[in-house]
Amino acid sequence: QQQVKQSPQSLIVQKGGISIINCAYENTAFDYFPWYQQFPGKGPALLIAIRPDVSEKKEGRFTISFNKSAKQFSLHIMDSQPGDSATYFCAASLQTGANNLFFGTGTRLTVIP
Amino acid sequence: DVKVTQSSRYLVKRTGEKVFLECVQDMDHENMFWYRQDPGLGLRLIYFSYDVKMKEKGDIPEGYSVSREKKERFSLILESASTNQTSMYLCASSFQTGGQGAFFGQGTRLTVV
Repeated sequence: QQQVKQSPQSLIVQKGGISIINCAYENTAFDYFPWYQQFPGKGPALLIAIRPDVSEKKEGRFTISFNKSAKQFSLHIMDSQPGDSATYFCAASLQTGANNLFFGTGTRLTVIP
Repeated sequence: DVKVTQSSRYLVKRTGEKVFLECVQDMDHENMFWYRQDPGLGLRLIYFSYDVKMKEKGDIPEGYSVSREKKERFSLILESASTNQTSMYLCASSFQTGGQGAFFGQGTRLTVV
C-alpha cells in the first residue's frame, strides 16, 4: 500500500514556466514532509521540507504548499530552468520509529529551453 | 554536513558472485536503509536497521541480506548475484526521533553480467 501518492509521473515544462508536483497522504501522524531532488547517477538530496503547522514554505524558486485538511502537499518550482531537470520525490515522515520515512514514486521533470 | 558514503560508485560483477555494498554515515543516526531504484519503480526498500545487529526486511528482501556490526556502517550483501539485480542501490540514514527525513549516499550502480 502506497503511503504517499505522487503525481504526475513525468512533467515537461518550458523554461521560465512553473512546475507543479502534487502529493497526497492518508496517515495523519505524519509530521514532516520533505522533498528530494535527484540528478541522473546521483543519490537523492534533501531540497526543502515543511512541517504541518505552516501552510507554505519558500526557499528561493522552490515553494511547498501544504493543505492539512486535504492531506495534500505540493512542490512549486517558479521560473523553471533546464538545470532543474531531475527526478523529484516527495516523502512523509513520522515523528519516531525505525522505518519512519515513506516516499512517493517520483516525478521526472524536464525543463526545455 | 551529514555525510553518507557508499564504497563504490560503479560495480560490475558476474552472475553467481557474492557482492558486498558498503555504506558509512557520520551523523550518529540510529536508522540505516538500503533502497533499490529502477526506472519507473521509484525507491524500493530492501532492508533497514534501527540499531547495531538489528535488521528488518523491507519490501523486496529476496536475494539480499544485510549486516550492521557498527552503528555507522551498514552493508548490503547479494549472496549470489543475478542479472535481475542490476540496478542503482542507495543507502540512507536517519534519526529515529525528530522526524527529520533521511540523508542519502551517492548511489552504487551495480551491473551483473
